[in-house]
Amino acid sequence: KNQVEQSPQSLIILEGKNCTLQCNYTVSPFSNLRWYKQDTGRGPVSLTIMTFSENTKSNGRYTATLDADTKQSSLHITASQLSDSASYICVVSAKGGSQGNLIFGKGTKLSVKP
Amino acid sequence: DVKVTQSSRYLVKRTGEKVFLECVQDMDHENMFWYRQDPGLGLRLIYFSYDVKMKEKGDIPEGYSVSREKKERFSLILESASTNQTSMYLCASSRDRVTNEQFFGPGTRLTVL
Repeated sequence: KNQVEQSPQSLIILEGKNCTLQCNYTVSPFSNLRWYKQDTGRGPVSLTIMTFSENTKSNGRYTATLDADTKQSSLHITASQLSDSASYICVVSAKGGSQGNLIFGKGTKLSVKP
Repeated sequence: DVKVTQSSRYLVKRTGEKVFLECVQDMDHENMFWYRQDPGLGLRLIYFSYDVKMKEKGDIPEGYSVSREKKERFSLILESASTNQTSMYLCASSRDRVTNEQFFGPGTRLTVL
């Protein structure tokens, strides 16, 4: 069964610190993986998207990595800011299949405290 | 920039009412989607459409229907709202079927009393 598991469920860090969020998936055949940021009460916004051949991608202070062999991805946030407080959702797309074939993780809720 | 708009940010309805949630995208995307998001369950796909007048059931279509009369507009209909349909509803669109990178609207928080 195609699944995406994220850890931790929630995380509290101090402003200025770094953190890493994890995503493990069992989606086959794999097409791409993306990370979304969702502020409270808002829709998700794409941070990065990676295909099979890409193992790292950055977007400002956000760096995503992908290990297609172990089926793991991580999102690293550098020098966190209060505005980074949000839920981060890992989404994996399977090749072929129907248009709706995105598998969503349940998200990691990050709180950045001053 | 892709813009996906939803007709209401907050909506309160009574049990049994017919509810319409509207979604419009301005980037000529072929594909549009409706999700609901509940705490602890993540996003779940209700319906999607890859062309005008076409629709496909997602994972949880029961109690919902959709309409896509124009390419830019995708409507979600709750024929007879029930309290278990209280949720955050998110619309999304994507340009192509290969990457299927979806752009989301701001969401509608629906409460059914």
